[in-house]
Amino acid sequence: GAVVSQHPSWVICKSGTSVKIECRSLDFQATTMFWYRQFPKQSLMLMATSNEGSKATYEQGVEKDKFLINHASLTLSTLTVTSAHPEDSSFYICSAQGTSGRANYFGPGTRLTVT
Amino acid sequence: GQNIDQPTEMTATEGAIVQINCTYQTSGFNGLFWYQQHAGEAPTFLSYNVLDGLEEKGRFSSFLSRSKGYSYLLLKELQMKDSASYLCARGSGAGSYQLTFGKGTKLSVIP
Repeated sequence: GAVVSQHPSWVICKSGTSVKIECRSLDFQATTMFWYRQFPKQSLMLMATSNEGSKATYEQGVEKDKFLINHASLTLSTLTVTSAHPEDSSFYICSAQGTSGRANYFGPGTRLTVT
Repeated sequence: GQNIDQPTEMTATEGAIVQINCTYQTSGFNGLFWYQQHAGEAPTFLSYNVLDGLEEKGRFSSFLSRSKGYSYLLLKELQMKDSASYLCARGSGAGSYQLTFGKGTKLSVIP
């Protein structure tokens, strides 16, 4: 089946610093990748939709200047949390959609803790 | 809106059958997905329905009624490892499956 990886799996950073999270589709080309955030005991909330070679589309309430998304190739999208604050601590999950598939395949997630 | 409603918690006995219901708003509908999520892990894909009816896949089956905006996930022969959250997700958009998730149903399987 389709495999999506995320790196790092967990990260602890200090308030005010920036953190980059990578999402890779390992055995298929992903024209579209989605970034989600999940707080404890909450559902996944879509942050943005990323299409290869174009600007990401952000959901209402998500600051595009704070959460920078780059989808430079068909196998890699990155999410950079800039000037992180403790309230940004969350589980960040990406999903990738293949060129012909109907299912979104999720990465294993990245747990971010901002101190 | 795309409100997706599913029960918050359910408990069932090992070996039994459980049905997890999900209702959603029908406008712009483009497929209904079910995912399983264990605590601290990412969701894993279980099923996808775009046409009315029942899709069976081993111990798991999923049903869809588009006119009613209703789906259910049926789990048979429950095992302890089935204890997890089950997320109902509604697809929308043309071409790309942008998913909106319900809050999930936490299923506890007891001996």
